[in-house]
Amino acid sequence: AQRVTQPEKLLSVFKGAPVELKCNYSYSGSPELFWYVQYSRQRLQLLLRHISRESIKGFTADLNKGETSFHLKKPFAQEEDSAMYYCAPMDTGRRALTFGSGTRLQVQP
Amino acid sequence: EADIYQTPRYLVIGTGKKITLECSQTMGHDKMYWYQQDPGMELHLIHYSYGVNSTEKGDLSSESTVSRIRTEHFPLTLESARPSHTSQYLCASSEFGSDEQYFGPGTRLTVT
Repeated sequence: AQRVTQPEKLLSVFKGAPVELKCNYSYSGSPELFWYVQYSRQRLQLLLRHISRESIKGFTADLNKGETSFHLKKPFAQEEDSAMYYCAPMDTGRRALTFGSGTRLQVQP
Repeated sequence: EADIYQTPRYLVIGTGKKITLECSQTMGHDKMYWYQQDPGMELHLIHYSYGVNSTEKGDLSSESTVSRIRTEHFPLTLESARPSHTSQYLCASSEFGSDEQYFGPGTRLTVT
């Protein structure tokens, strides 16, 4: 079974500081990984997916198969980045997501 | 406007009652999902559906049942609510062939 670990429940940084939200997974086969985000009083929504190799709102995430990690990074955090972030590998058989427990990012002014 | 709706948003109910949590989407999506999330914990997939008359159990064993009689509607039913069912329930949908899931606002259920 797939497992995903987000070791930090809370990550607090100051505005302008670099951010790295950690995600480690265990998966057999070729994983597809996603980051979902939930801003205050908003719904859970897709932030980015590893296959598209895109940068969304300044965030990037690189899949490291050797370390089985998919950490989310941003060089300069903004206050509006404060939210709950979930790493989610996809079960390619069922096309269903497995969510981590989430990391709350708090960006202080 | 294309959206995914969940009702009720909040529900407080006594033990033993039968409840149905509604989920509807006007996005034309084939796939729908139900997740359960306790505060500060992971979202657990409890049911999913590929389309009409298709329902599958997810990763977390749940006493709830679902039905998919219409494409846009995916209700979740608890025949006899218990305090252990207290949780947030999130419904989501996705287009067949797409991996992006769209989430509803959630239903926060409290069983007393």
